[in-house]
Amino acid sequence: AQKITQTQPGMFVQEKEAVTLDCTYDTSDQSYGLFWYKQPSSGEMIFLIYQGSYDQQNATEGRYSLNFQKARKSANLVISASQLGDSAMYFCAMREGDYNNNDMRFGAGTRLTVKP
Amino acid sequence: DVKVTQSSRYLVKRTGEKVFLECVQDMDHENMFWYRQDPGLGLRLIYFSYDVKMKEKGDIPEGYSVSREKKERFSLILESASTNQTSMYLCASSRPRSYNSPLHFGNGTRLTVT
Repeated sequence: AQKITQTQPGMFVQEKEAVTLDCTYDTSDQSYGLFWYKQPSSGEMIFLIYQGSYDQQNATEGRYSLNFQKARKSANLVISASQLGDSAMYFCAMREGDYNNNDMRFGAGTRLTVKP
Repeated sequence: DVKVTQSSRYLVKRTGEKVFLECVQDMDHENMFWYRQDPGLGLRLIYFSYDVKMKEKGDIPEGYSVSREKKERFSLILESASTNQTSMYLCASSRPRSYNSPLHFGNGTRLTVT
């Protein structure tokens, strides 16, 4: 079964506007971590932000924030004030912590294009 | 800064060849991973290792094997390359078993099997 689902293959956003990239996950573990990565056209995978399953507050890192809704099992990435350099593939990922080997599973990704 | 280095950026091999993809990390990480990335499928886990000489199958291990003789090096082996193994291969490492540690990735190897 798919553990991470990203339903938006592609998204467009106007420069300086905010955009939300969707991610839902499936786990029966109580302990788990959720991650977002950015992959520009150069191919490198850049770690953006992390949210732990026990964290009470949504994670934020600069212009990135994670809208964590535990009951709905969603972990959406919000990028504020989009810049042209934000154009890239974005991957949501999860590491489960209770009974697993802590390997990381990824979604299919969302290609974000920022329009000038 | 964590550095994960993959030996080749681009590789072209023929069907049936034995292919070695090498990955080295310099942060003394216990965990190392191999993924393949295909459009529309995201990253799929092939194998991972949480210690020297230890290995665990991921979601798509068929047609692949791995070797971890030293802590810093994790090799992916295609015993007999096939065209459906044409893909981008990404190596990653992380601290010991911990669900809150991010993975650090290499720059990837784009393998073409003809």
